[in-house]
Order: sequence, then C-alpha cells, then structure tokens
Amino acid sequence: GAVVSQHPSWVICKSGTSVKIECRSLDFQATTMFWYRQFPKQSLMLMATSNEGSKATYEQGVEKDKFLINHASLTLSTLTVTSAHPEDSSFYICSARDRSSYEQYFGPGTRLTVT
Amino acid sequence: AQKITQTQPGMFVQEKEAVTLDCTYDTSDQSYGLFWYKQPSSGEMIFLIYQGSYDEQNATEGRYSLNFQKARKSANLVISASQLGDSAMYFCAMREVAYSGAGSYQLTFGKGTKLSVIP
Repeated sequence: GAVVSQHPSWVICKSGTSVKIECRSLDFQATTMFWYRQFPKQSLMLMATSNEGSKATYEQGVEKDKFLINHASLTLSTLTVTSAHPEDSSFYICSARDRSSYEQYFGPGTRLTVT
Repeated sequence: AQKITQTQPGMFVQEKEAVTLDCTYDTSDQSYGLFWYKQPSSGEMIFLIYQGSYDEQNATEGRYSLNFQKARKSANLVISASQLGDSAMYFCAMREVAYSGAGSYQLTFGKGTKLSVIP
C-alpha cells in the first residue's frame, strides 16, 4: 500500500530556533501535499496545501512567513517552523495525494515541543 | 457553520457490542466524499471507510459500516463486535472539490469522538 513518511517523528527545540519537518511519499508520486496541525485533544486543522513546483496555499490565520512550505519534487514536501515559540508546540501531520489515484495518504506525524 | 459535526465527544461500549458514532455534514456540493479515520494514541491517522455522495449502497469494510443518509446529511460509522483495540479517537471527514487554483480536494475534519471499549 501507499506509504507516507515523516521525519523526524518527534523533535524538541529551543524557542527562537527553526525546525524543518520532511514529508515523503515513498511509493507514489504526489502532486499535492497537505499540512495539518493538531493540538492536544483537538481535531486536525489544515494549515496549507502545497503543489509540486508552485507556492503553497495557506489557510486563513496561518502565517506564511512563519510556516515555510517547500514542495520541490513529486515525493517530498518540507515544513519549516521559523523562530519557533512554545505556542507552536503541536502535532504536525502531512498527507499526500497520489497523482494517479487521487487518494490521500497520511504520514505518521511529527510531535514538536518548543521549550 | 461547521461543515462536519460530531456531537459525541466520548463514547463507551462494551467489548463485543456494536457502537454507532454520529457524523453530520453540511455542503452545497453535489459531488463529495465522506471518510472515517481512526487515530490511536500513537497519532497516526488510519483510514477506515469511504462513502461517495453518488454511491447508492452503504459502504462496508469488515467490521466497519457507514450508515449514509443523504437527505439527512448524516454519515454515521457503525463498528460491530467492538474490540479493545478499537479504543481510539474517531474522526469523520469530508472532501469537497475546492478550486483554490489547484483543485486540491481538501479534507475537512470533525472534532472527533473518543471511543473507549470496556472489557
């Protein structure tokens, strides 16, 4: 079956530093990848949609300068949290849409803790 | 208005019994898809079942079935013969065609229902 990986699975960083999270589709090509954020005991909230080779589309209220998204290839999208603060601590989940089947597959998530 | 409403924050079910998790949705699209995902404490999102708006039959996948009532805009998940491993968060989600310049087909999630299976 289709597999999406995320790296790292968890990360702890100091306030003010930047963190990069990778999302890879391992056995299919993904023209579109989605980034979600999930706070404890809450639902997934879509942050942005990235399409290969073009700029990401951010949801209302998500700072594009803080959450940098790059989708440079059909199998890789990255989310960089710049100048992280404790309030950015959350569970970040990506999903990738198979260009052939249009099905969407989720990565295992990355737990970010900013101290 | 919320697009996906899950009114049950938490549910308990006895092992081996059946349980229904409620989901109602709001859309003006004619073509849409409804999904259920399971999220255990590990955090991964596990796809359970899918129902297309034009599907006439209710979807079934093993112990999971989706009670789709289009006129009522409801898509309830039925889990039969509950197992201890079914204890998790369950999310209902809808996919509409979102033409944000890329036809991205975004998923919108409900707030989830925490299911606890009692031995």
